[in-house]
Amino acid sequence: QAQLVQSGAEVKEPGASVKVSCKTSGYAFTAYRLHWVRQAPGQGLEWMGRIGPNTDGTRYAQKFLGRVTMTGDTSSSTAYMQLNSLTSDDTALYYCATTGVIGAWGQGTLVIVSS
Amino acid sequence: QAVVTQEPSLTVSPGGTVTLTCVSSTGSVTSGHYPYWFQQKPGQAPRTLIYDTTIKHSWTPARFSGSLLGGKAALTLSAAQPEDEAEYYCSFSFSGSTVFGGGTKLTVL
Repeated sequence: QAQLVQSGAEVKEPGASVKVSCKTSGYAFTAYRLHWVRQAPGQGLEWMGRIGPNTDGTRYAQKFLGRVTMTGDTSSSTAYMQLNSLTSDDTALYYCATTGVIGAWGQGTLVIVSS
Repeated sequence: QAVVTQEPSLTVSPGGTVTLTCVSSTGSVTSGHYPYWFQQKPGQAPRTLIYDTTIKHSWTPARFSGSLLGGKAALTLSAAQPEDEAEYYCSFSFSGSTVFGGGTKLTVL
């Protein structure tokens, strides 16, 4: 059974960067796209982008172009999402998720941006 | 960017049937938009119920079904249970990018 386990909560100051990890298991990491989705407090889901398959193809939402980087480490089946130039508007739960037949979600990583 | 619109809220009686819909600002929804449906309960991560318009996961209760209905994507819940009370989100793919709907808060009452 596929599992996605994310890194722990982060508190960052405005202007800083955050890097969230998503360790996968139970399926072929390079064979499926992995998406990053965020959810601000009390708000809906927002797609940020995706990587894969094969970790060498990325697609980012227009809103995050130039500020987000998604990478993957095939040796550890782990995906990463780095978001730069953080503002208070980036305070949210960040999820990784696979699509298609796998359909798994991580547990979410809370990122708080505050001075 | 395309906008995906869902009913903000719906109510269904226990044992009743309800249909949630998603529309695209770009026009009729087709299977080429690869509609997905997700369920999210308070304090929990979302979980995927339906992908590629109609396909259920092994964990998706049989009472949920996905379809295309009059140019919209639809999620039908039959014989609603109290535990189905949740927020439901749809998503569409537009040339490789994904857009979520704003969510439907479903109350079972």
